[in-house]
Amino acid sequence: GNSVTQMEGPVTLSEEAFLTINCTYTATGYPSLFWYVQYPGEGLQLLLKATKADDKGSNKGFEATYRKETTSFHLEKGSVQVSDSAVYFCALRVGNQGGKLIFGQGTELSVKP
Amino acid sequence: GAGVSQSPSNKVTEKGKDVELRCDPISGHTALYWYRQSLGQGLEFLIYFQGNSAPDKSGLPSDRFSAERTGGSVSTLTIQRTQQEDSAVYLCASSPGQSQETQYFGPGTRLLVL
Repeated sequence: GNSVTQMEGPVTLSEEAFLTINCTYTATGYPSLFWYVQYPGEGLQLLLKATKADDKGSNKGFEATYRKETTSFHLEKGSVQVSDSAVYFCALRVGNQGGKLIFGQGTELSVKP
Repeated sequence: GAGVSQSPSNKVTEKGKDVELRCDPISGHTALYWYRQSLGQGLEFLIYFQGNSAPDKSGLPSDRFSAERTGGSVSTLTIQRTQQEDSAVYLCASSPGQSQETQYFGPGTRLLVL
């Protein structure tokens, strides 16, 4: 079946530190991969996506590369800010299944000044 | 323009009662999704609508759960005879229609079953 595994949180970093949140997946077919972010008190927002192998998604200084050989889509940012504190969800979508998203468990990030 | 809206934002009910949760998708979006976010299960897919039809209901956890969509717009998720394990945040998302397009999420309805 299809599933997503991401590193457990909470992750606590100091401002300007480097961030990596690991995400690996299992999928039948050729999935699209996503990172969604949920800021405190807000709804889920798409952060970035990649639709095929070796694609790199990027937004707001965050990046993730679709690695088919390692079935991974790790999220990285070179210098985090306090405003990046949120819960991050890795997700996949298999195109022949109507577009539903399958999410990882979420990783809570807390950035301290 | 307006995003996805959901009502109520919070709902407290007693075990055994029925509840209805409403989702208003972005105008013109033909695809609509319901998800559930709970502590034990994370974010799980419930049901997908394309127009008024539901080609994928595979995530509905039991026959106490049902959903409908009318006029290709508003959707209602109904939970009958609520149980404490139904307590969760119910999220609705919509997308323009093609399965490859971005889903836009509403703020959710937080349901607490006492």
